[in-house]
Amino acid sequence: DSGVTQTPKHLITATGQRVTLRCSPRSGDLSVYWYQQSLDQGLQFLIQYYNGEERAKGNILERFSAQQFPDLHSELNLSSLELGDSALYFCASSEGRGPEAFFGQGTRLTVV
Amino acid sequence: GQNIDQPTKMTATEGAIVQINCTYQTSGFNGLFWYQQHAGEAPTFLSYNVLDGLEEKGRFSSFLSRSKGYSYLLLKELQMKDSASYLCAVRGGRDYKLSFGAGTTVTVRA
Repeated sequence: DSGVTQTPKHLITATGQRVTLRCSPRSGDLSVYWYQQSLDQGLQFLIQYYNGEERAKGNILERFSAQQFPDLHSELNLSSLELGDSALYFCASSEGRGPEAFFGQGTRLTVV
Repeated sequence: GQNIDQPTKMTATEGAIVQINCTYQTSGFNGLFWYQQHAGEAPTFLSYNVLDGLEEKGRFSSFLSRSKGYSYLLLKELQMKDSASYLCAVRGGRDYKLSFGAGTTVTVRA
């Protein structure tokens, strides 16, 4: 158990809908990263937050948004969902300057 | 930005050694990481290099040359359970963004 909690584990929704994925980082970790992993693809960096502030942005679509709350948990909002958004979405957390990032078990999103 | 390259697939025999190479180009550098990922599961941390040289951790070792933008992960005494994808990741300079390569799928055969 990495200490990073993601909910829900599985999500099935229809095209055009909106979903929210939640991530609770390890205790004390200030940085949260979001990644998308499509079938047989690598981890695509979406966005990073550090202590509530956006720190880095990757190839995140305009239909996607995220935030980190004062208690350091983070949410990734995906709207106007398309079939191509079906993927595993991982959250990871780190101390910020720490040597490693710890990954949650992921949320498997299926858009039908 | 960051550009990270690693081979797509490698196959090796149980008990053998496999070396997975990773080359990268990055604006700023704050460490190179190797993760292991089994299909459908979360990546798990294997190793971290921030200075040049070899880091050894049991059956796994990782090497870094910052001047060459090059790293490798060495897996010794391969076991069937080592069949997985191995991800090379680089943390950037200013923003500490952690970017991943596409991963190398290692298949261990009996």
